[in-house]
Amino acid sequence: NAGVTQTPKFQVLKTGQSMTLQCAQDMNHEYMSWYRQDPGMGLRLIHYSVGAGITDQGEVPNGYNVSRSTTEDFPLRLLSAAPSQTSVYFCASNRERSSYNEQFFGPGTRLTVL
Amino acid sequence: AQSVTQPDIHITVSEGASLELRCNYSYGATPYLFWYVQSPGQGLQLLLKYFSGDTLVQGIKGFEAEFKRSQSSFNLRKPSVHWSDAAEYFCAVGARSNTGKLIFGQGTTLQVKP
Repeated sequence: NAGVTQTPKFQVLKTGQSMTLQCAQDMNHEYMSWYRQDPGMGLRLIHYSVGAGITDQGEVPNGYNVSRSTTEDFPLRLLSAAPSQTSVYFCASNRERSSYNEQFFGPGTRLTVL
Repeated sequence: AQSVTQPDIHITVSEGASLELRCNYSYGATPYLFWYVQSPGQGLQLLLKYFSGDTLVQGIKGFEAEFKRSQSSFNLRKPSVHWSDAAEYFCAVGARSNTGKLIFGQGTTLQVKP
């Protein structure tokens, strides 16, 4: 049981490039989410999904796209990277959509946009 | 709007000393309350959570937290800090609704002096 996995661990992009951050969970969790972590700002919710085929925006969705074609995977796409997107990105999953349940976090992806 | 405030960005304590990390929240009703810990280069791990009932909750690694409704606070405590407790600590609130979303505070970095 690997839990929540994220790839890559580190990535450097040039402004305007696109890329996809991968997230997968093997716990059959219904709810998945993406956060970004910036110094002094804690974690901010980017997008979340309450099940396959269902996604919604969080607090800071601009510049990011998501899709949820399977229960296991929840990739985050940057269509045209900007320096403001330099951050550490965390994927998380819940057993079900209620925030009663513990969120399990992946190890993070550190992204630098030059 | 929901919000979480951790007034102390950085705290230094001596090993063996007691610890209290502050957390204040703003929410229309009693939310679900969480404390997470993030060790350097790692994802977040749940320390403890409060949903209802006894206002003093016990967590892992010897931590406890007390929910005080009148003060809208959920402070984290530990009687005797160990060097391995050095990490960043996040308080979070979740709505008592079917969304699964969490709102995080800015985080408090704990440094432990030998």
